[in-house]
Amino acid sequence: GAVVSQHPSWVICKSGTSVKIECRSLDFQATTMFWYRQFPKQSLMLMATSNEGSKATYEQGVEKDKFLINHASLTLSTLTVTSAHPEDSSFYICSADDFGGPRGQYFGPGTRLLVL
Amino acid sequence: GNSVTQMEGPVTLSEEAFLTINCTYTATGYPSLFWYVQYPGEGLQLLLKATKADDKGSNKGFEATYRKETTSFHLEKGSVQVSDSAVYFCALKGGANNLFFGTGTRLTVIP
Repeated sequence: GAVVSQHPSWVICKSGTSVKIECRSLDFQATTMFWYRQFPKQSLMLMATSNEGSKATYEQGVEKDKFLINHASLTLSTLTVTSAHPEDSSFYICSADDFGGPRGQYFGPGTRLLVL
Repeated sequence: GNSVTQMEGPVTLSEEAFLTINCTYTATGYPSLFWYVQYPGEGLQLLLKATKADDKGSNKGFEATYRKETTSFHLEKGSVQVSDSAVYFCALKGGANNLFFGTGTRLTVIP
């Protein structure tokens, strides 16, 4: 079946640094990818929709200058958390939409970010 | 707008017990409805889905029926196993193809 990978799976960084998270669709092309944030014991909150070759669409309340999204190819989207702060610590999950497939969105395993 | 309200957990059941996790939704138009499962240390996986009213999604012994009149999509399983222990998310997909999730329900099945 379709697989979506994320890298890294976890990262610890100092406050003020930037962190890049990669999301790859391994065996299908994804013109659309989604980035979610999951807080402990809470649901996934959609942050932005990433469209290949165009600007991402951010949900209300999400700072686009802080969470930079690039979707440069049909199999790769990146999320960069710029100037990370402790409140950015969270679990970040991407998904890729296989529009032609039977199961819709495929989710990556997530990236746990801890900002010290 | 679109939203999903899901039964709060955690839920603890003995093996072979009957499971129900309630899910109701609010949506404009005619959404598709989904149940996702997240096993410990893994990403979300699609468990089942229904795309129109009265459809029944089923997989691995789990079932859910799309009830438009009650705007519900309750998840059921007749006999749970220890391996079913996970977090279950109800979700809907509206016209924009993005998913709206419930808060998740943690299920623990004890032998």
